[in-house]
Amino acid sequence: GAVVSQHPSRVICKSGTSVKIECRSLDFQATTMFWYRQFPKQSLMLMATSNEGSKATYEQGVEKDKFLINHASLTLSTLTVTSAHPEDSSFYICSAPPAGGLKSQHFGDGTRLSIL
Amino acid sequence: DAKTTQPPSMDCAEGRAANLPCNHSTISGNEYVYWYRQIHSQGPQYIIHGLKNNETNEMASLIITEDRKSSTLILPHATLRDTAVYYCIVVIVSGNQFYFGTGTSLTVIP
Repeated sequence: GAVVSQHPSRVICKSGTSVKIECRSLDFQATTMFWYRQFPKQSLMLMATSNEGSKATYEQGVEKDKFLINHASLTLSTLTVTSAHPEDSSFYICSAPPAGGLKSQHFGDGTRLSIL
Repeated sequence: DAKTTQPPSMDCAEGRAANLPCNHSTISGNEYVYWYRQIHSQGPQYIIHGLKNNETNEMASLIITEDRKSSTLILPHATLRDTAVYYCIVVIVSGNQFYFGTGTSLTVIP
């Protein structure tokens, strides 16, 4: 079945560092990918929609200059957390619907980001 | 997209059927009902989806009421590996953003 891969699965870094997270669709093309954030014991919260070849669309309250999204190809979207601080520590998850009509989204296994 | 309401937690004995309800009283005619589950520290896993008719696959059954205002996910023979948070989501056909509710934390008890 369709697989979405995220890398890295876990990252620990110092405050002020910028961190890049990759989301790849392994056996299908995705013109759109989604980025979610999940704090402990909470639900997934949609952050932004990543659009291949165009600007990302951000949900209300999500800082676009803080969370940079690039979707340069049909199989790769990246989320960069710029100048990360401890409050950015969270579980970041991407998802992608196969192109040609959405019936189900496929989710990556998430990236655990810890900012010291 | 319509909002969903689910009980925060449920227990189920191993081997018994787990019935997880979801209320989506404001669902519109072009919105599908999707069910996903999330095992701790993993990404959500697709289970099943439906529009109007009841659906069944190798993982579960989905029962949607005739007025489509609620649905029930049925895991016919729950195992310990079914312990997870289950999310019911409604999404329009042409749209694709998923807005997750709080979900139901299912614990399967030996």
